Amino acid sequence: DVKVTQSSRYLVKRTGEKVFLECVQDMDHENMFWYRQDPGLGLRLIYFSYDVKMKEKGDIPEGYSVSREKKERFSLILESASTNQTSMYLCASSFTQAYNQPQHFGDGTRLSIL
Amino acid sequence: GDSVTQMEGPVTLSEEAFLTINCTYTATGYPSLFWYVQYPGEGLQLLLKATKADDKGSNKGFEATYRKETTSFHLEKGSVQVSDSAVYFCALSETGGFKTIFGAGTRLFVKA
Repeated sequence: DVKVTQSSRYLVKRTGEKVFLECVQDMDHENMFWYRQDPGLGLRLIYFSYDVKMKEKGDIPEGYSVSREKKERFSLILESASTNQTSMYLCASSFTQAYNQPQHFGDGTRLSIL
Repeated sequence: GDSVTQMEGPVTLSEEAFLTINCTYTATGYPSLFWYVQYPGEGLQLLLKATKADDKGSNKGFEATYRKETTSFHLEKGSVQVSDSAVYFCALSETGGFKTIFGAGTRLFVKA
């Protein structure tokens, strides 16, 4: 089974801090994704990556950046955390670009910005 | 652009009741369609999928049929259990695209 592991289940940070969320997958997947999940809004794509060192903006990239130095690891960075970034963050991966490939998700990081 | 619309929740049912969660989509091409489920405290996991018109996806007693003529992919289960309580997401993925478009999710509560 594919395992997508997010480094923290719960995180509390202060406004203005630089925050790192880490995600690792163990199945050699090409694609990796970061979403945020908010009540009533479903999942919104922040950034995705289709190869090492490659990244593409999703629907809501403002205030975020990403890093993918190794195939298995995809990091989400909040450059200067703000209270409106309090949310559940989900990492996902998929095998190839093929459109019928499902995404595999981690258990999420619930981030609170005080 | 592509979009997915699913019925608002929460949906509350008694054990052994019949479940339908409606999902309709808008897409320019021929997408693949998915249902994901999120149990409390967990990430999403794939429940079932269908990749072309008239395909039926099924898993764990859940079914959904890809209806191109009505652009729908409704989720059904004949007899729900308390353990089915979760949030269900309908989603689509376009041909040649990286992205998956998710609906807003429908929360299901099943009472014993």
